[in-house]
Amino acid sequence: GAGVSQSPSNKVTEKGKDVELRCDPISGHTALYWYRQRLGQGLEFLIYFQGNSAPDKSGLPSDRFSAERTGESVSTLTIQRTQQEDSAVYLCASSLSILAGGKYFGPGTRLTVT
Amino acid sequence: AQKVTQAQTEISVVEKEDVTLDCVYETRDTTYYLFWYKQPPSGELVFLIRRNSFDEQNEISGRYSWNFQKSTSSFNFTITASQVVDSAVYFCALNTGNQFYFGTGTSLTVIP
Repeated sequence: GAGVSQSPSNKVTEKGKDVELRCDPISGHTALYWYRQRLGQGLEFLIYFQGNSAPDKSGLPSDRFSAERTGESVSTLTIQRTQQEDSAVYLCASSLSILAGGKYFGPGTRLTVT
Repeated sequence: AQKVTQAQTEISVVEKEDVTLDCVYETRDTTYYLFWYKQPPSGELVFLIRRNSFDEQNEISGRYSWNFQKSTSSFNFTITASQVVDSAVYFCALNTGNQFYFGTGTSLTVIP
């Protein structure tokens, strides 16, 4: 079956612009996770969604970051007024439940802020 | 404070050798989950294992095995008879509450 998909695969944007990243989880997966990986660095957890529960936003790096998910479908990660330090690969993962952690990963969106 | 430490930044082994990747975690929570992920050179992340804090039973999956010891707050990962395809960056992670904490990763190179 289809895996986790993310779009766009690459995004180059000018500093100060807003960007929206999209994640399509595996159908039926109630849990969805967002992570960030800066070039040559480790993983940084951003936020997760579990069903219709309100997410804990404390992992988001700043108030320029926001994430939404409607039900168990697509999620969007929005970065407003992008800065050069936002350049990274943004990864999405989904699982049948929160108990599994982020089990199935998408290919990521490579964001470059110039 | 929650923290995951992977002290080994880079490891090189010759094919067929066994190798252990160390992971030490810090948390005051009694309920938590530990994970290992693999990131090969192609970049995609692969989930390897999830372990909850109440299950200290070691696990073996093929050439992979995991040793969870609460007494030393460690969750080490051993690859037996390593292969070139095992070359990757391996991340250990801790989940408590609504947050995940990742180690900085260990880059494993298996030399043919």
